[in-house]
Amino acid sequence: EPEVTQTPSHQVTQMGQEVILRCVPISNHLYFYWYRQILGQKVEFLVSFYNNEISEKSEIFDDQFSVERPDGSNFTLKIRSTKLEDSAMYFCASSNSQETQYFGPGTRLLVL
Amino acid sequence: AQSVTQPDIHITVSEGASLELRCNYSYGATPYLFWYVQSPGQGLQLLLKYFSGDTLVQGIKGFEAEFKRSQSSFNLRKPSVHWSDAAEYFCAVLPYGQNFVFGPGTRLSVLP
Repeated sequence: EPEVTQTPSHQVTQMGQEVILRCVPISNHLYFYWYRQILGQKVEFLVSFYNNEISEKSEIFDDQFSVERPDGSNFTLKIRSTKLEDSAMYFCASSNSQETQYFGPGTRLLVL
Repeated sequence: AQSVTQPDIHITVSEGASLELRCNYSYGATPYLFWYVQSPGQGLQLLLKYFSGDTLVQGIKGFEAEFKRSQSSFNLRKPSVHWSDAAEYFCAVLPYGQNFVFGPGTRLSVLP
């Protein structure tokens, strides 16, 4: 069964550094998403992406964040200058309609 | 205010016992409804979903959920819990024209 994959599974970085989180969505899906889950809190929507552009973003998704689909398979989330409060689990999701979303296993980001 | 609530933060049941996890939503129109499970250190796995039609939906791993419009609820049930069901369970809604909103989660512990 096709699934969403994410790399790396864990990333540790210093405050102020740039990180890129990578996702490979399910191949025939057209809609892509990033969510985050701060430890012990609920999953929060960050951004949705369709037709090579951001379709919606939350207030969390500020200028430090960007997304890109650099080729036909990858979908990336870049955090330009990480802050301590960016430490969280980041989930990528994809869907072939604006309904059911399938989630990847997540990348656990720790900012020191 | 629009919201998704899961009243139980943590539930403990004995293996073999029945389970019901509660979810309530507060939206003007019935959104699409989902239950996801997150095992420790893992991503979010879709258990089941409700869009319309039969109000009792069957999911994977022996789970089912019942939509009750009058109560704005979508409770998850399983007749006999297995130790491997220990995980965090998230109710999520997809309101029309909006993005996913997750509930705070219910952590399930299973006693041998």
